[in-house]
Amino acid sequence: AQSVTQLDSHVSVSEGTPVLLRCNYSSSYSPSLFWYVQHPNKGLQLLLKYTSAATLVKGINGFEAEFKKSETSFHLTKPSAHMSDAAEYFCVVSDFSGNTPLVFGKGTRLSVIA
Amino acid sequence: EAGVVQSPRYKIIEKKQPVAFWCNPISGHNTLYWYLQNLGQGPELLIRYENEEAVDDSQLPKDRFSAERLKGVDSTLKIQPAELGDSAVYLCASSLGGVEQFFGPGTRLTVL
Repeated sequence: AQSVTQLDSHVSVSEGTPVLLRCNYSSSYSPSLFWYVQHPNKGLQLLLKYTSAATLVKGINGFEAEFKKSETSFHLTKPSAHMSDAAEYFCVVSDFSGNTPLVFGKGTRLSVIA
Repeated sequence: EAGVVQSPRYKIIEKKQPVAFWCNPISGHNTLYWYLQNLGQGPELLIRYENEEAVDDSQLPKDRFSAERLKGVDSTLKIQPAELGDSAVYLCASSLGGVEQFFGPGTRLTVL
């Protein structure tokens, strides 16, 4: 069975400060891991994905995440928050082959304060 | 390239009424998914199609929910009859080869 735990339901940062959204996963298989972002009334957009290549994954809009097998973590970071980053972020796990469904975390709402 | 298209974007119905949602995946994507997203939660898979075959419908409540993808392209998800607890966002996604999924904007259903 696979699962993800997003450790914070809400994170608030000031514009220009670093962002850290935490995610721990559990998987019986070699996992594929993803971060998706959902802006209000818009579809889910893929930020980045890990599929067993480099453990440090760079995504769109300056986001990156590091796969740490020993810690079963896949935290999302960004050096400097933008107002436009305010959204809901989902950590997602699947198996490497894509044959198991995507399993979503409950989401972390990121607020960015001017 | 057009993304995943869903309609309607919003639907308000009274309980016990039927409702249908439509999805057109990205051209050429053989795999299509329907997800349910409750308020404050992450999406949960309802059904997955490979071409026209439903290969995973284990989470679809078959007493009231049905889905079809007759020609292996667009798909319809139906609820009959709708219940108050069905109020949620219904998301469609598609993929080519399975790993990366592309999501539509969703249909927000309100059951009164």
